[in-house]
Amino acid sequence: AQSVAQPEDQVNVAEGNPLTVKCTYSVSGNPYLFWYVQYPNRGLQFLLKYITGDNLVKGSYGFEAEFNKSQTSFHLKKPSALVSDSALYFCAVRDLYNFNKFYFGSGTKLNVKP
Amino acid sequence: NAGVTQTPKFQVLKTGQSMTLQCAQDMNHEYMSWYRQDPGMGLRLIHYSVGAGITDQGEVPNGYNVSRSTTEDFPLRLLSAAPSQTSVYFCASSYSSASNYEQYFGPGTRLTVT
Repeated sequence: AQSVAQPEDQVNVAEGNPLTVKCTYSVSGNPYLFWYVQYPNRGLQFLLKYITGDNLVKGSYGFEAEFNKSQTSFHLKKPSALVSDSALYFCAVRDLYNFNKFYFGSGTKLNVKP
Repeated sequence: NAGVTQTPKFQVLKTGQSMTLQCAQDMNHEYMSWYRQDPGMGLRLIHYSVGAGITDQGEVPNGYNVSRSTTEDFPLRLLSAAPSQTSVYFCASSYSSASNYEQYFGPGTRLTVT
């Protein structure tokens, strides 16, 4: 079965510092991977996706993610964190056999302190 | 565009009651889906639809029914509410059933079953 794991429930970082939110995947073939962000009392918003091609994917709000096949990871990164980046972040993977199904990680709460 | 709208925002039900969560989108999206969000478990897919008249089960379909009579609407029905269905419910849509398109999420419905 396909799945993603987010090993950290919470990540704390100071404003201006680089941030990383971790995601590892378990997919037997080539994964389709996504990152979404959820601000308080809101629905999820798409940040970026990896389908194929360049391992470094750039997305919205200055975020990027690095696909690493050997480590089965898709970590979300930003060079300089903002307080406004504080939110809940979800990694997701598409089902390899049923393209209409997606599996989300448990979420990582990012706290950016001034 | 209003995007994806959900009603109600909050609902309290007694065990055994039934209700319908409404979801509508005005983007002419083919694909629509329902997720539930529970603490520590991320989002789990309940049902999805790839077009009017076509629905299928997701990861956790038991206790829920759906139908898709129009492109715009995708209601979720709880037939006999149980406390285990206390959750936040999100509706989402995307342009095509080709799943490399981002999903757009509604603001959510917070349901409590007592």
